[in-house]
Amino acid sequence: DQQVKQNSPSLSVQEGRISILNCDYTNSMFDYFLWYKKYPAEGPTFLISISSIKDKNEDGRFTVFLNKSAKHLSLHIVPSQPGDSAVYFCAARIRDDKIIFGKGTRLHILP
Amino acid sequence: NAGVMQNPRHLVRRRGQEARLRCSPMKGHSHVYWYRQLPEEGLKFMVYLQKENIIDESGMPKERFSAEFPKEGPSILRIQQVVRGDSAAYFCASSPRLALQETQYFGPGTRLLVL
Repeated sequence: DQQVKQNSPSLSVQEGRISILNCDYTNSMFDYFLWYKKYPAEGPTFLISISSIKDKNEDGRFTVFLNKSAKHLSLHIVPSQPGDSAVYFCAARIRDDKIIFGKGTRLHILP
Repeated sequence: NAGVMQNPRHLVRRRGQEARLRCSPMKGHSHVYWYRQLPEEGLKFMVYLQKENIIDESGMPKERFSAEFPKEGPSILRIQQVVRGDSAAYFCASSPRLALQETQYFGPGTRLLVL
């Protein structure tokens, strides 16, 4: 029973282009969504988050979009840089409860 | 300000032995979470602790696994009589308090290999 789904295990994007990572969820009670970035042999690092009362949050090159009716969120990275190559985890939380993670999408930025 | 620290970074155990994983949260953080990541999988929540209390252990196997966060010292995740299926990366995260806008900060993980 996967409540947070990242259906693309991997994604390759040319350097300088836009990277779009997608995430779907099933639980309408989620009210806070997060994206984490993970390099090999390191722990996940918090990247950006969005509350369910918003539909967009932007931080530099990173923008997260939330479509509540479709239970879908996406992370846009523009322009993509070599250092963005990593695994990206989508995560969601119900108020005062644990965070549920997706399986991750491995992003490769091509030179 | 040191981040979340975990040790050991790598741990090798034979089947039937015990594994002890330690986590020191960030300074000022009183909430600790343990996650497990199996190969090709996402992070799965195991347990959430505050000082001296287990708040939510719904993700932890009922047998062989236990966790504590004593008043003094690090949080400990203990796995007794390890089996090959316990081989995974175990991540600890901490936060200053449980609030809607608060995020969790992760340690580098302990990679457990059971032979």
